[in-house]
Amino acid sequence: DAMVIQNPRYQVTQFGKPVTLSCSQTLNHNVMYWYQQKSSQAPKLLFHYYDKDFNNEADTPDNFQSRRPNTSFCFLDIRSPGLGDAAMYLCATSAQDSPNEKLFFGSGTQLSVL
Amino acid sequence: GESVGLHLPTLSVQEGDNSIINCAYSNSASDYFIWYKQESGKGPQFIIDIRSNMDKRQGQRVTVLLNKTVKHLSLQIAATQPGDSAVYFCALEAGYSSASKIIFGSGTRLSIRP
Repeated sequence: DAMVIQNPRYQVTQFGKPVTLSCSQTLNHNVMYWYQQKSSQAPKLLFHYYDKDFNNEADTPDNFQSRRPNTSFCFLDIRSPGLGDAAMYLCATSAQDSPNEKLFFGSGTQLSVL
Repeated sequence: GESVGLHLPTLSVQEGDNSIINCAYSNSASDYFIWYKQESGKGPQFIIDIRSNMDKRQGQRVTVLLNKTVKHLSLQIAATQPGDSAVYFCALEAGYSSASKIIFGSGTRLSIRP
């Protein structure tokens, strides 16, 4: 089945140690998003790619970077994780070849920072 | 700026009764609204959407109502079942073209009493 896959499901890293989260999709959607969701809060958009065009949210810290080497894959890099970066990270895709296409989410990666 | 808020953080409903989850928004330029359901440990799942040229849309057991005059959105779930237990987020589309994005509200936790 076509889907959005995030790996790993759980990730533990050390304070200050770079970490990369992965997302792949078989939907062939041209837009990919990264959201951060902390406990009992709404998902917060960090950035998204519209094809190869990168759109960063104004309040996303520089510590968070992203790469999209091709249509299917997108990575979230946290250069120096802090304790406050512990959260669920959600990848989502949409096909914006027509307006207002809904998002398809992966199951998320739960990041712990020790 | 864009913002989406919910009136109640938690809602407890008797099994079989109807549930109504409310949402207020501030961006009058938004023309696309979505409800998502998020079960524990999973990514948000699309439930139903509505465009601003409509005031009501029905799905299977769910109805979304949109009142643009007062900037209010609601989700009605008929004959609530135990499987409906989850956090429900309203969301809206903000921005245009390649910069358009989905902004989430703070969520309502729906619990079902047997």
